[in-house]
Amino acid sequence: GAGVSQSPSNKVTEKGKDVELRCDPISGHTALYWYRQSLGQGLEFLIYFQGNSAPDKSGLPSDRFSAERTGGSVSTLTIQRTQQEDSAVYLCASSSPSGRGTDTQYFGPGTRLTVL
Amino acid sequence: AQSVTQLDSQVPVFEEAPVELRCNYSSSVSVYLFWYVQYPNQGLQLLLKYLSGSTLVKGINGFEAEFNKSQTSFHLRKPSVHISDTAEYFCAVKRGYSSASKIIFGSGTRLSIRP
Repeated sequence: GAGVSQSPSNKVTEKGKDVELRCDPISGHTALYWYRQSLGQGLEFLIYFQGNSAPDKSGLPSDRFSAERTGGSVSTLTIQRTQQEDSAVYLCASSSPSGRGTDTQYFGPGTRLTVL
Repeated sequence: AQSVTQLDSQVPVFEEAPVELRCNYSSSVSVYLFWYVQYPNQGLQLLLKYLSGSTLVKGINGFEAEFNKSQTSFHLRKPSVHISDTAEYFCAVKRGYSSASKIIFGSGTRLSIRP
């Protein structure tokens, strides 16, 4: 079946513009994560959606970052007034937690964001 | 809260040599542990995971990891590496028996294989 898809694969924008990044998780997966991976850095957790529960936004670096998940499926990460330090690869992952939480995350290919 | 420490940011080894990538975690509750691999210009994929049972876990591509509760470690090993193992490896931890808890990743270890 289809894996996690993300669009666009690459996005170049000017400082100060808003951008939207999209994630289509694997069908039926109730958990969805957004991460940021800066050049040479590890994975920085941004936000976590699990079913109908309130999202865990504890990783969002500033109020310029927000994310939505519509209908428990597609998610959009929005960055307002982009800054050069926002340049990174943004990764989305989905999983299907069992009752024991033994979920494996499946990652999308990422969106490479470059802010000029 | 859980946390993960990968002690080595880069590990260079010669082809066919053994390798160990270190991972330590901290948690006051039971955890699930994972290793993910990211090949150049690709997404992350699961290498192996420990949920319960045998402390020695075998994964894909000849990798294995051993869960050591007393040392709170989950080191990744391979007896003989190949050029194709060049990648970045991430250790991750998740609170056990909790579908709502999020997975926490370490900062990654870049494995480079020299011919």
